[in-house]
Amino acid sequence: ELKVEQNPLFLSMQEGKNYTIYCNYSTTSDRLYWYRQDPGKSLESLFVLLSNGAVKQEGRLMASLDTKARLSTLHITAAVHDLSATYFCAVDIHTSYGKLTFGQGTILTVHP
Amino acid sequence: NAGVTQTPKFRVLKTGQSMTLLCAQDMNHEYMYWYRQDPGMGLRLIHYSVGEGTTAKGEVPDGYNVSRLKKQNFLLGLESAAPSQTSVYFCASSGVGYGPKSLYIYEQYFGPGTRLTVT
Repeated sequence: ELKVEQNPLFLSMQEGKNYTIYCNYSTTSDRLYWYRQDPGKSLESLFVLLSNGAVKQEGRLMASLDTKARLSTLHITAAVHDLSATYFCAVDIHTSYGKLTFGQGTILTVHP
Repeated sequence: NAGVTQTPKFRVLKTGQSMTLLCAQDMNHEYMYWYRQDPGMGLRLIHYSVGEGTTAKGEVPDGYNVSRLKKQNFLLGLESAAPSQTSVYFCASSGVGYGPKSLYIYEQYFGPGTRLTVT
């Protein structure tokens, strides 16, 4: 059974600081997705990571994938208040028709 | 393009009542999914469909049924609602893309959600 674990689950940051969210998963997979969810809203796709060593960046967010370690990271650079949201990683395995297994989510709050 | 829409947005049911949630997508996607979101647990897959006329069970299918009579619609039914089914329900759809090493990519697009309370 595929398990996906994120840490930390809660993250309170000051504006301007850097931090990393970690996503570990238990079964071999070449596909990992990061989503953002604002309170009371739907999920928005941030990154699709394929294959070992994949790195993608959008603004102050950078995501990477290490398939050998079964680990993805979402790095936040110089946080701003607008980044406050819940971030989910999700994994699907090769023959799964896109069925996603989600992590618990990381609630990020950025303070002035 | 409306993307993925869900009806209704909110609903309150009494234990034992039934209801159907409707998901519609206008992106001509083959794959559709129903998830439920509960605090601290992320999203969990209820049922999914790989094409018109097909359905399959996900991680937490008990107490739910689904139908995909038309490619653009995916219905989720609760035959006899229970308080444990209080949750936020999200529908998603995806096409199939192709990445390196012939990897299939199923990037999912989510609807706005339905907040269901069962009393």
